[in-house]
Amino acid sequence: DAGVIQSPRHEVTEMGQEVTLRCKPISGHNSLFWYRQTMMRGLELLIYFNNNVPIDDSGMPEDRFSAKMPNASFSTLKIQPSEPRDSAVYFCASSAGTGRLEETQYFGPGTRLLVL
Amino acid sequence: GENVEQHPSTLSVQEGDSAVIKCTYSDSASNYFPWYKQELGKRPQLIIDIRSNVGEKKDQRIAVTLNKTAKHFSLHITETQPEDSAVYFCAATYTGNQFYFGTGTSLTVIP
Repeated sequence: DAGVIQSPRHEVTEMGQEVTLRCKPISGHNSLFWYRQTMMRGLELLIYFNNNVPIDDSGMPEDRFSAKMPNASFSTLKIQPSEPRDSAVYFCASSAGTGRLEETQYFGPGTRLLVL
Repeated sequence: GENVEQHPSTLSVQEGDSAVIKCTYSDSASNYFPWYKQELGKRPQLIIDIRSNVGEKKDQRIAVTLNKTAKHFSLHITETQPEDSAVYFCAATYTGNQFYFGTGTSLTVIP
């Protein structure tokens, strides 16, 4: 198994541009999580899905952020418009089970985003 | 909401010594406490976890203890090796709620 796949691995964009991050969970996993990691705020859970349905998005910082999971093998996290403070590493993780947070999560390699 | 505090923020130990990292949480409803290891530039990886119905769990050189009364849990690494050098994060959650992470501990094992 290739594990959780994220693309792109690095993204540099200018303030105001739209950014789309992509994630492919481990085959057979039915829960997917999006995290953000910065030096200032550490690791934060943004949103998670179970069976393609958003379960909790209380961590999404503001309306500029949106996430979708159109099918079991693909999810996107979109930032529109992007701002310099969105610069961070964004991780996607997946787990097998009922979508409870206490199931083992496997992280992807992350997308390093820099907004100029 | 939950508040997780992690100490120390940095820790240096000699190879072969033990390392202990402690986290405290505020919400008595929290019932799941994982520990993640993150090497520089890499992804977080779960190394051990504990649930509130258990007081201690071991996996080879790694152990986690939980004190529900005092609301703290600790990671113990024995016989440390250079490859244990990384940032370690604790977290706390309860079913259906957010995941709250500690601020991380940068562990350096000196050969």
